Amino acid sequence: AQKVTQAQTEISVVEKEDVTLDCVYETRDTTYYLFWYKQPPSGELVFLIRRNSFDEQNEISGRYSWNFQKSTSSFNFTITASQVVDSAVYFCALSEDQGGSEKLVFGKGTKLTVNP
Amino acid sequence: KAGVTQTPRYLIKTRGQQVTLSCSPISGHRSVSWYQQTPGQGLQFLFEYFSETQRNKGNFPGRFSGRQFSNSRSEMNVSTLELGDSALYLCASSHPGQGPHNEQFFGPGTRLTVL
Repeated sequence: AQKVTQAQTEISVVEKEDVTLDCVYETRDTTYYLFWYKQPPSGELVFLIRRNSFDEQNEISGRYSWNFQKSTSSFNFTITASQVVDSAVYFCALSEDQGGSEKLVFGKGTKLTVNP
Repeated sequence: KAGVTQTPRYLIKTRGQQVTLSCSPISGHRSVSWYQQTPGQGLQFLFEYFSETQRNKGNFPGRFSGRQFSNSRSEMNVSTLELGDSALYLCASSHPGQGPHNEQFFGPGTRLTVL
């Protein structure tokens, strides 16, 4: 069965600190896709990154970076030099290759608060 | 391009009533998925439609149903509302032509309150 665990319910940091959001997933499939979404207070989920199971390269996009490790079934997200605008709930999600379905299984989310 | 739109944005109903929520995907997107978000259960998949066919369904009772029209617009219906149906209902669309399991674009959601 598919499962995504985000053990950190809430994290609070001071601006300019680095912060890592953890994500551990479970799946029996060899082909799967991992995502991170951001949900600001406005409520709309915003896509951050998609990674397939065959691509273990880490990725950096500005202040954001992602570390995908199949050996530990983890897909962690790091924000470098955090800013107040990064305050939001962050969700990790998993999608398996099931007949083309786009179904996402989400973790419970990590609420990040960046204080000035 | 206009984003995913959902109507209404807010809805208040009483137990036992039924409700219909609407979602208009981004132009050209043929896959529409629905999710329920509650503080206790988080984000849970309801169902997905592609070319007017239900392609997948989550673990929700039969009171929850949906459909998709030929223009890809989708509606979901909840009958015999219960207090526990109070939630934010999110709709997402994606463009399968850009490969599998692509980015899904989410709408702002419909906040349903059941009294």
